[in-house]
Amino acid sequence: AQSVTQLDSQVPVFEEAPVELRCNYSSSVSVYLFWYVQYPNQGLQLLLKYLSGSTLVKGINGFEAEFNKSQTSFHLRKPSVHISDTAEYFCAVSETGTASKLTFGTGTRLQVTL
Amino acid sequence: ETGVTQTPRHLVMGMTNKKSLKCEQHLGHNAMYWYKQSAKKPLELMFVYSLEERVENNSVPSRFSPECPNSSHLFLHLHTLQPEDSALYLCASSQDGGGPVSTFGSGTRLTVV
Repeated sequence: AQSVTQLDSQVPVFEEAPVELRCNYSSSVSVYLFWYVQYPNQGLQLLLKYLSGSTLVKGINGFEAEFNKSQTSFHLRKPSVHISDTAEYFCAVSETGTASKLTFGTGTRLQVTL
Repeated sequence: ETGVTQTPRHLVMGMTNKKSLKCEQHLGHNAMYWYKQSAKKPLELMFVYSLEERVENNSVPSRFSPECPNSSHLFLHLHTLQPEDSALYLCASSQDGGGPVSTFGSGTRLTVV
């Protein structure tokens, strides 16, 4: 079984500042890693994914994440945030070689202000 | 229409009612999922259907009954729910063997009164 920990429930940041949302996972097998974003009253939208290969993955809206196997982390970063990035961000894992059954973290609320 | 569509978007029901949530995917995927999103809790996987067969039921109470009549449609039948069942119910789909990426619908906000 896997688990995902998002230690920061809320992250306030000023517009144009950089941001990092932390994600750590635990699993006894190889995993795929994902970040999803949820805007108010909407479903989840895939930001980026790590399946294999390069440990630095780039996603939509200028976000990127780095897979660190030794630290079992998959932190999400953006060098300069916008007001429109205000949303809930979820880190998720699934076992490789299986149907896409996702285990989610509790989410991090990113609040961008002027 | 593309993507994953869920209806209704909002639903209020009494504890003795029977209702159904509907999910339709237009992506040609062969696996579909129900997730529950409650306040202050991680999203919980409820049911998984692969090639129209239920492959997982994560200890979900019997008052939730899923149905997958074909690879494009997924239902969640609800009866005698409890107030703690109030949540956002999200449907997702993916292509087994074609990449483990799920596409989510916008969800049904369920309130049990």
